[in-house]
Amino acid sequence: EIVLTQSPATLSLSPGDRATLSCRASQSVSSYLAWYQQKAGQAPRLLIYDASNRATGIPARFSGSGSGTDFTLTISSLEPEDFAVYYCQQRVNWPLTFGGGTKVEI
Amino acid sequence: EVQLLESGGGLVQPGGSLRLSCAASGFTVNTNAMLWVRQAPGKGLEWVSAIGGTNDNTYYADSVRGRFTISRDNSRNTLYLQMSSLRVEDTAVYYCAKDRRYWYLDIWGRGTLVTVSS
Repeated sequence: EIVLTQSPATLSLSPGDRATLSCRASQSVSSYLAWYQQKAGQAPRLLIYDASNRATGIPARFSGSGSGTDFTLTISSLEPEDFAVYYCQQRVNWPLTFGGGTKVEI
Repeated sequence: EVQLLESGGGLVQPGGSLRLSCAASGFTVNTNAMLWVRQAPGKGLEWVSAIGGTNDNTYYADSVRGRFTISRDNSRNTLYLQMSSLRVEDTAVYYCAKDRRYWYLDIWGRGTLVTVSS
């Protein structure tokens, strides 16, 4: 099973700040990694797939990078609605696995 | 509009059974891979099961294999998760999700809560 480790667990920032979230895989997942956003009481939403492709309707302030075992989600300038929990997910091997999440808080 | 709506959650005793349903609209479940993901209270996301789009291949997490069965009814455009031999650790919100392609989840339902407790 591929373990995804996200850091930091919590990121305390202000609106307008740049957010940098990390996801590290226990073995290479090539570029087969996605990022999701989950707000309290809501279902997750797909942000990024294949490490760097924005999903439909996702604002350009969200960007993903990386390959192999190290990945980054960057939010260039935080909007109030971006404060949420973010998860990474790999799809290169079964079982599909998610990281433990990074909470971006004000 | 593409939507998923789960139902069937509730309180069940350990060892009991429950069937979750996920009604789809705006697309057909028989031409898309579909998945179930769960989230225990206050915890992260855990993939549970998946069914292929162009075939009926099924996949399960080790934690549920042999106890849970994923299926779909094309006439009802609905995905199911039959859960048996339920354990306290199965307590979670269960989400159904549509595969965008290649096992990325692009459409999610609102979830249904399953509580396993005596």
